[in-house]
Amino acid sequence: AQSVAQPEDQVNVAEGNPLTVKCTYSVSGNPYLFWYVQYPNRGLQFLLKYITGDNLVKGSYGFEAEFNKSQTSFHLKKPSALVSDSALYFCAVRDGNAGNNRKLIWGLGTSLAVNP
Amino acid sequence: DTEVTQTPKHLVMGMTNKKSLKCEQHMGHRAMYWYKQKAKKPPELMFVYSYEKLSINESVPSRFSPECPNSSLLNLHLHALQPEDSALYLCASSQDYPEMAWTEAFFGQGTRLTVV
Repeated sequence: AQSVAQPEDQVNVAEGNPLTVKCTYSVSGNPYLFWYVQYPNRGLQFLLKYITGDNLVKGSYGFEAEFNKSQTSFHLKKPSALVSDSALYFCAVRDGNAGNNRKLIWGLGTSLAVNP
Repeated sequence: DTEVTQTPKHLVMGMTNKKSLKCEQHMGHRAMYWYKQKAKKPPELMFVYSYEKLSINESVPSRFSPECPNSSLLNLHLHALQPEDSALYLCASSQDYPEMAWTEAFFGQGTRLTVV
């Protein structure tokens, strides 16, 4: 079965420190992996995705994510956190080999709080 | 233009009312989606339209009725809703579905619906 796990409900980090938001996945075929961010009372914004190729993916607002096939992980990272990065982060996956069944499977979200 | 526009931003309706949510995109996307999102939870897929045809209905109650008048517009007609239907309703679009499953979705800001 396809699934996504975000093991931390909440991540707290001091401004200027590096941040990591974790995501692991399970699909039967090749994974298409996505990170979205949701600021309070807003819709979701796409940050970055992994389709194929380089395991390190760079995205918007200085975020990057590392795809690790052996660990089935796609952790979101940023070298230096900003207070404005405080938001709810969702990891999502599509099974690239699932034929017509290509619905996006969402993690439960991780709330990131960056403290000044 | 990389925007998905949703109207209204807020809606309060009684359980006997009929109302509609509207969504518009001008990115030439051929797939459009309705999601329901409760606070601090991941979005739940409701409907997918692909090339203006209903492709997926996630067993949504008939009090929610989607409509896709053309490739740029998506409506969600609401009738006889229940208080538990109160949520953020998000519209999204992507280039194609289920093909091009690697493309990201663009989300609108959402309609905050309250059923009284």
